[in-house]
Amino acid sequence: AQSVTQLDSQVPVFEEAPVELRCNYSSSVSVYLFWYVQYPNQGLQLLLKYLSGSTLVKGINGFEAEFNKSQTSFHLRKPSVHISDTAEYFCAVTETHNNNDMRFGAGTRLTVKP
Amino acid sequence: GAVVSQHPSWVICKSGTSVKIECRSLDFQATTMFWYRQFPKQSLMLMATSNEGSKATYEQGVEKDKFLINHASLTLSTLTVTSAHPEDSSFYICSARDRLPTKQYFGPGTRLTVT
Repeated sequence: AQSVTQLDSQVPVFEEAPVELRCNYSSSVSVYLFWYVQYPNQGLQLLLKYLSGSTLVKGINGFEAEFNKSQTSFHLRKPSVHISDTAEYFCAVTETHNNNDMRFGAGTRLTVKP
Repeated sequence: GAVVSQHPSWVICKSGTSVKIECRSLDFQATTMFWYRQFPKQSLMLMATSNEGSKATYEQGVEKDKFLINHASLTLSTLTVTSAHPEDSSFYICSARDRLPTKQYFGPGTRLTVT
Protein backbone atom coordinates (compact mmCIF):
# COMPACT_ATOMS: atom_id res chain seq x y z
CA ALA A 1 0.00 0.00 0.00
CA GLN A 2 1.01 3.58 -0.51
CA SER A 3 2.51 5.68 2.25
CA VAL A 4 3.69 9.21 2.87
CA THR A 5 6.59 10.55 4.90
CA GLN A 6 6.80 14.16 5.91
CA LEU A 7 10.38 14.66 6.90
CA ASP A 8 9.93 17.65 9.19
CA SER A 9 7.48 17.70 12.06
CA GLN A 10 8.05 21.40 12.71
CA VAL A 11 9.34 24.20 10.51
CA PRO A 12 9.84 27.64 12.05
CA VAL A 13 10.50 30.51 9.65
CA PHE A 14 10.48 34.27 9.75
CA GLU A 15 7.86 36.28 7.93
CA GLU A 16 8.63 36.97 4.25
CA ALA A 17 11.20 34.16 4.15
CA PRO A 18 10.84 31.28 1.68
CA VAL A 19 9.78 27.88 2.94
CA GLU A 20 9.85 24.30 1.73
CA LEU A 21 7.89 21.50 3.38
CA ARG A 22 9.14 18.10 2.37
CA CYS A 23 7.06 15.10 1.40
CA ASN A 24 8.15 11.71 0.09
CA TYR A 25 5.81 8.96 -0.93
CA SER A 26 6.03 5.25 -1.50
CA SER A 27 3.92 3.31 -3.98
CA SER A 28 4.39 0.58 -6.53
CA VAL A 29 1.80 2.08 -8.87
CA SER A 30 0.89 5.50 -10.18
CA VAL A 31 -0.42 8.00 -7.66
CA TYR A 32 -2.26 11.22 -7.10
CA LEU A 33 -0.67 13.60 -4.61
CA PHE A 34 -2.20 16.31 -2.44
CA TRP A 35 -1.28 19.00 0.05
CA TYR A 36 -3.79 20.12 2.65
CA VAL A 37 -3.65 22.85 5.28
CA GLN A 38 -5.35 22.63 8.65
CA TYR A 39 -5.88 25.62 10.91
CA PRO A 40 -6.55 25.01 14.64
CA ASN A 41 -9.81 23.19 15.32
CA GLN A 42 -10.74 23.17 11.66
CA GLY A 43 -10.96 20.60 8.91
CA LEU A 44 -8.62 20.27 5.96
CA GLN A 45 -8.44 22.70 3.10
CA LEU A 46 -6.96 21.60 -0.21
CA LEU A 47 -3.93 23.65 -1.21
CA LEU A 48 -3.08 21.85 -4.43
CA LYS A 49 -2.99 18.46 -6.08
CA TYR A 50 -1.06 16.58 -8.72
CA LEU A 51 -3.07 14.29 -10.96
CA SER A 52 -1.09 14.22 -14.19
CA GLY A 53 0.60 16.50 -16.69
CA SER A 54 2.90 19.31 -15.61
CA THR A 55 4.98 18.34 -12.63
CA LEU A 56 4.88 21.88 -11.22
CA VAL A 57 1.54 22.46 -9.59
CA LYS A 58 0.35 25.84 -8.39
CA GLY A 59 -2.18 26.10 -5.61
CA ILE A 60 -3.94 28.64 -3.47
CA ASN A 61 -2.34 31.21 -1.20
CA GLY A 62 0.83 31.36 -3.32
CA PHE A 63 1.88 27.77 -2.67
CA GLU A 64 3.29 25.45 -5.30
CA ALA A 65 4.65 21.92 -5.34
CA GLU A 66 6.73 19.88 -7.72
CA PHE A 67 6.17 16.21 -8.43
CA ASN A 68 9.46 14.37 -8.83
CA LYS A 69 8.86 10.78 -9.82
CA SER A 70 12.49 9.70 -9.72
CA GLN A 71 12.87 10.97 -6.17
CA THR A 72 9.29 10.06 -5.21
CA SER A 73 8.87 13.51 -3.74
CA PHE A 74 6.20 16.21 -3.73
CA HIS A 75 7.68 19.11 -1.80
CA LEU A 76 5.60 22.17 -1.05
CA ARG A 77 7.10 25.64 -1.46
CA LYS A 78 6.21 29.26 -0.97
CA PRO A 79 8.62 32.09 -1.84
CA SER A 80 7.49 34.45 0.91
CA VAL A 81 5.40 33.38 3.89
CA HIS A 82 2.99 35.40 6.00
CA ILE A 83 2.02 35.12 9.64
CA SER A 84 -1.33 33.79 8.47
CA ASP A 85 0.38 30.76 6.91
CA THR A 86 1.00 29.38 10.40
CA ALA A 87 -0.84 26.05 10.39
CA GLU A 88 -0.45 22.30 10.09
CA TYR A 89 0.25 20.99 6.60
CA PHE A 90 -0.49 17.46 5.46
CA CYS A 91 0.75 15.65 2.40
CA ALA A 92 -1.51 12.88 1.13
CA VAL A 93 -1.42 10.20 -1.56
CA THR A 94 -3.87 7.92 -3.27
CA GLU A 95 -3.24 5.30 -5.87
CA THR A 96 -4.90 6.17 -9.16
CA HIS A 97 -6.77 2.86 -9.34
CA ASN A 98 -7.98 3.03 -5.73
CA ASN A 99 -9.06 6.52 -4.78
CA ASN A 100 -10.84 5.33 -1.66
CA ASP A 101 -7.62 4.91 0.23
CA MET A 102 -6.07 8.32 0.89
CA ARG A 103 -3.05 8.10 3.16
CA PHE A 104 -1.81 11.11 5.06
CA GLY A 105 1.60 12.04 6.31
CA ALA A 106 2.17 12.86 9.96
CA GLY A 107 1.95 16.56 9.25
CA THR A 108 4.34 19.50 9.41
CA ARG A 109 3.69 22.35 11.76
CA LEU A 110 4.68 25.59 10.01
CA THR A 111 5.19 28.49 12.39
CA VAL A 112 5.81 31.90 10.87
CA LYS A 113 7.43 34.36 13.23
CA PRO A 114 7.42 38.15 12.88
CA GLY B 1 -16.05 25.42 -4.28
CA ALA B 2 -17.77 22.41 -2.84
CA VAL B 3 -18.78 22.61 0.81
CA VAL B 4 -19.06 19.89 3.40
CA SER B 5 -20.62 20.67 6.75
CA GLN B 6 -20.52 18.81 10.05
CA HIS B 7 -22.80 19.09 13.01
CA PRO B 8 -22.16 19.58 15.81
CA SER B 9 -18.79 21.31 15.69
CA TRP B 10 -18.11 20.23 19.24
CA VAL B 11 -19.87 18.04 21.76
CA ILE B 12 -19.29 16.99 25.34
CA CYS B 13 -21.00 13.85 26.57
CA LYS B 14 -20.90 11.57 29.56
CA SER B 15 -19.30 8.18 29.46
CA GLY B 16 -21.73 5.51 28.36
CA THR B 17 -23.93 7.73 26.23
CA SER B 18 -24.14 7.79 22.44
CA VAL B 19 -23.35 10.70 20.18
CA LYS B 20 -24.37 11.26 16.57
CA ILE B 21 -22.34 13.40 14.19
CA GLU B 22 -23.80 14.52 10.88
CA CYS B 23 -21.90 15.18 7.70
CA ARG B 24 -23.58 16.89 4.77
CA SER B 25 -22.44 17.77 1.29
CA LEU B 26 -24.14 21.08 0.61
CA ASP B 27 -23.81 21.61 -3.11
CA PHE B 28 -22.95 18.28 -4.64
CA GLN B 29 -23.93 14.65 -4.45
CA ALA B 30 -21.47 12.61 -2.46
CA THR B 31 -21.37 9.08 -3.75
CA THR B 32 -18.65 8.22 -1.26
CA MET B 33 -18.07 9.54 2.23
CA PHE B 34 -15.15 8.95 4.55
CA TRP B 35 -14.80 9.27 8.30
CA TYR B 36 -11.47 10.07 9.89
CA ARG B 37 -10.34 10.60 13.45
CA GLN B 38 -7.47 12.75 14.50
CA PHE B 39 -5.79 12.68 17.89
CA PRO B 40 -4.00 15.81 19.14
CA LYS B 41 -0.91 16.65 17.12
CA GLN B 42 -1.35 13.57 14.96
CA SER B 43 -2.41 12.86 11.44
CA LEU B 44 -5.78 11.75 10.16
CA MET B 45 -6.59 8.07 10.38
CA LEU B 46 -9.27 6.66 8.12
CA MET B 47 -11.98 4.92 10.10
CA ALA B 48 -14.42 3.87 7.41
CA THR B 49 -15.62 4.44 3.88
CA SER B 50 -19.27 4.43 2.91
CA ASN B 51 -21.14 4.52 -0.36
CA GLU B 52 -24.70 5.74 -0.50
CA GLY B 53 -27.13 2.95 0.23
CA SER B 54 -24.43 0.45 1.13
CA LYS B 55 -22.88 -0.74 4.35
CA ALA B 56 -19.72 1.04 5.39
CA THR B 57 -16.33 -0.57 5.00
CA TYR B 58 -14.33 -0.25 8.19
CA GLU B 59 -10.58 -0.07 8.51
CA GLN B 60 -8.79 -2.73 10.48
CA GLY B 61 -9.04 -2.10 14.19
CA VAL B 62 -12.15 0.07 14.02
CA GLU B 63 -15.12 -1.45 15.83
CA LYS B 64 -18.11 -1.30 13.52
CA ASP B 65 -20.53 -1.94 16.38
CA LYS B 66 -19.15 1.02 18.25
CA PHE B 67 -18.85 3.46 15.37
CA LEU B 68 -22.10 3.17 13.43
CA ILE B 69 -22.07 4.79 10.02
CA ASN B 70 -25.17 5.45 7.97
CA HIS B 71 -24.96 6.91 4.47
CA ALA B 72 -28.66 7.32 3.94
CA SER B 73 -28.61 9.72 1.02
CA LEU B 74 -26.24 11.31 -1.46
CA THR B 75 -25.89 14.35 0.79
CA LEU B 76 -25.90 12.93 4.30
CA SER B 77 -23.79 10.53 6.31
CA THR B 78 -23.90 10.06 10.07
CA LEU B 79 -21.41 8.65 12.52
CA THR B 80 -22.79 7.45 15.83
CA VAL B 81 -20.34 6.76 18.63
CA THR B 82 -22.15 4.27 20.85
CA SER B 83 -21.45 3.86 24.55
CA ALA B 84 -18.76 6.49 24.37
CA HIS B 85 -15.75 6.33 26.66
CA PRO B 86 -13.05 8.91 27.41
CA GLU B 87 -10.66 7.20 25.02
CA ASP B 88 -13.11 8.01 22.20
CA SER B 89 -12.42 11.69 22.74
CA SER B 90 -10.98 12.93 19.48
CA PHE B 91 -11.47 15.17 16.49
CA TYR B 92 -13.69 13.48 13.92
CA ILE B 93 -13.53 14.69 10.33
CA CYS B 94 -15.74 13.60 7.50
CA SER B 95 -14.93 13.85 3.84
CA ALA B 96 -17.17 13.61 0.81
CA ARG B 97 -16.41 12.83 -2.76
CA ASP B 98 -18.56 13.40 -5.79
CA ARG B 99 -18.64 11.21 -8.87
CA LEU B 100 -15.22 12.40 -9.98
CA PRO B 101 -12.72 10.35 -7.99
CA THR B 102 -10.23 13.15 -7.56
CA LYS B 103 -12.59 15.67 -5.97
CA GLN B 104 -12.67 14.96 -2.26
CA TYR B 105 -13.75 17.63 0.18
CA PHE B 106 -13.36 17.74 3.95
CA GLY B 107 -15.71 18.91 6.62
CA PRO B 108 -14.65 21.29 9.41
CA GLY B 109 -14.51 18.50 11.98
CA THR B 110 -16.29 17.68 15.24
CA ARG B 111 -14.51 17.79 18.57
CA LEU B 112 -15.84 15.04 20.83
CA THR B 113 -15.02 15.09 24.52
CA VAL B 114 -16.24 12.23 26.67
CA THR B 115 -16.18 12.87 30.40
